[in-house]
Amino acid sequence: DAGVTQSPTHLIKTRGQHVTLRCSPISGHKSVSWYQQVLGQGPQFIFQYYEKEERGRGNFPDRFSARQFPNYSSELNVNALLLGDSALYLCASLSVEPGYGYTFGSGTRLTVV
Amino acid sequence: ILNVEQSPQSLHVQEGDSTNFTCSFPSSNFYALHWYRWETAKSPEALFVMTLNGDEKKKGRISATLNTKEGYSYLYIKGSQPEDSATYLCAWYSSNTGKLIFGQGTTLQVKP
Repeated sequence: DAGVTQSPTHLIKTRGQHVTLRCSPISGHKSVSWYQQVLGQGPQFIFQYYEKEERGRGNFPDRFSARQFPNYSSELNVNALLLGDSALYLCASLSVEPGYGYTFGSGTRLTVV
Repeated sequence: ILNVEQSPQSLHVQEGDSTNFTCSFPSSNFYALHWYRWETAKSPEALFVMTLNGDEKKKGRISATLNTKEGYSYLYIKGSQPEDSATYLCAWYSSNTGKLIFGQGTTLQVKP
């Protein structure tokens, strides 16, 4: 069974551009969360989706948006990129079974130049 | 502001040493406390999910305790090995926000 897959693994963008990051959760998992991790800090919560609906949003500007598709995969979109958006973006797949932690993908390393 | 704090920030120990880290979290609206191990170039891996005050969990040489009333959790590693070198993250799941909030992590280096 495949784990959480994220694409692309690395990305370099220019300030002002737009980026789309993709995530496929574990088969059967209906909930996905997105996190931003900057070096030296813990992952910061961006969004959570469950059954294609937004269930939570972190303290990120409106330039950040996301959606979840009928097959439960998800996209994170960031508009008007800033240098400070350079980070590792992690997607987590959540089981509905209690007592299980999140399963993370390997992340997308975004560099904004 | 709901903060999850971890200490120490980093730790260097010799192979065979036992070590422990602390995670502090808000004691109100507690739902669960997660521990993750994050090795370089890999994904964070769930170690424990703890929900009950006084809970103790163990996986091999690694164990964790939970005190929800005072808002802290300890992670213990007995007889550290070089393969234990990683960043250990704790995360607090709040019942009223439904968000998993991470601490900044403790980076452990175990020297052979």
